[in-house]
Amino acid sequence: GAVVSQHPSWVICKSGTSVKIECRSLDFQATTMFWYRQFPKQSLMLMATSNEGSKATYEQGVEKDKFLINHASLTLSTLTVTSAHPEDSSFYICSASNQGRREKLFFGSGTQLSVL
Amino acid sequence: DAKTTQPTSMDCAEGRAANLPCNHSTISGNEYVYWYRQIHSQGPQYIIHGLKNNETNEMASLIITEDRKSSTLILPHATLRDTAVYYCIVRVLNDYKLSFGAGTTVTVRA
Repeated sequence: GAVVSQHPSWVICKSGTSVKIECRSLDFQATTMFWYRQFPKQSLMLMATSNEGSKATYEQGVEKDKFLINHASLTLSTLTVTSAHPEDSSFYICSASNQGRREKLFFGSGTQLSVL
Repeated sequence: DAKTTQPTSMDCAEGRAANLPCNHSTISGNEYVYWYRQIHSQGPQYIIHGLKNNETNEMASLIITEDRKSSTLILPHATLRDTAVYYCIVRVLNDYKLSFGAGTTVTVRA
């Protein structure tokens, strides 16, 4: 089946530094990927839609200058948390759609970010 | 606004069937019912989906009422590894922006 790979699985960084998270579709081309954030004991919240070759679309309340998204190829989208602060500590999850199999949306394994 | 409502939590015994209800009374004719689950500290895992007919796969069965206003996910023989948060979601096939509600926390006990 289709697989979405997310890297790293967890990262610890100092406040003020930037962190990049990668999301790859391993056996299909994904023109669209999605980034979610999940705080402890809460549900997933959609942050942004990543479109290959164009600017990402951000959900209301999500700072586009803080959460930089790049979708430079059909198999890779990256989320960069810039100038991270402790309140950005969260579980970040990506997903990708396979246009050839619209019925399923596949998720990465998630990245736990801890900002000290 | 939440499009589905699920019980907050439920327990079930290992080896028994687990029946997870979901209400989606405002579902549209072109919306499918999807079930995902999320095991702690992992990404959501697809379980099953359906439009109006009952569906079964290697993981579970999905029973959708005739009026499509509710559905039940059935895990036929729950194991400890089925402990997870289960999300019931409605979506049209061309809409990949899934909206997750609170889900049902299922705890399988030995």
